[in-house]
Amino acid sequence: TQLLEQSPQFLSIQEGENLTVYCNSSSVFSSLQWYRQEPGEGPVLLVTVVTGGEVKKLKRLTFQFGDARKDSSLHITAAQPGDTGLYLCAGAFSGGSNYKLTFGKGTLLTVNP
Amino acid sequence: SAVISQKPSRDICQRGTSLTIQCQVDSQVTMMFWYRQQPGQSLTLIATANQGSEATYESGFVIDKFPISRPNLTFSTLTVSNMSPEDSSIYLCSGAGGGTEAFFGQGTRLTVV
Repeated sequence: TQLLEQSPQFLSIQEGENLTVYCNSSSVFSSLQWYRQEPGEGPVLLVTVVTGGEVKKLKRLTFQFGDARKDSSLHITAAQPGDTGLYLCAGAFSGGSNYKLTFGKGTLLTVNP
Repeated sequence: SAVISQKPSRDICQRGTSLTIQCQVDSQVTMMFWYRQQPGQSLTLIATANQGSEATYESGFVIDKFPISRPNLTFSTLTVSNMSPEDSSIYLCSGAGGGTEAFFGQGTRLTVV
């Protein structure tokens, strides 16, 4: 069974602070995605990374893919209450089904005003 | 990306009964999946819905308990059969086109009493 370790599981911070969420595996990903989910909604795709060392930015969010394609991070700068939600990393593992995703446990982020 | 309409959005059911959840995609998709999620936690894949053939179930999930249909490339149903309180959860359908990026319905919050 291929596992995706995501940390931290819970994060409560004040508005304006920075934070980083990590996603790690012992296996290599063919691609990795980050999703954000709000209560009562399904997850919404934020970004996909496929190339080792890749960095993508989405406004205040910065996503990095490790050189070996085994880990990824999500960094949020100057967090705002609107960033509150469940953040999920999901990977498609090399050699497996390209369509089947394995999800991390999720990071429940609360940004307090 | 495509849009998935999932219904019902929530239901309260008596134990021993069955509930069928429907997902309609606004365009044809290659793959459709069904997940289960406890609030604030990660997603567990139940099965891959295969168009015109039997679904492929993950370990711990069986067809008798979670029969799935996918008559065409835009529609799928999941039935939760002979429900017990342990089946209380959020059920999500997702679709994927040519790559690994998934899009989700808004989920069905099921409570079994």
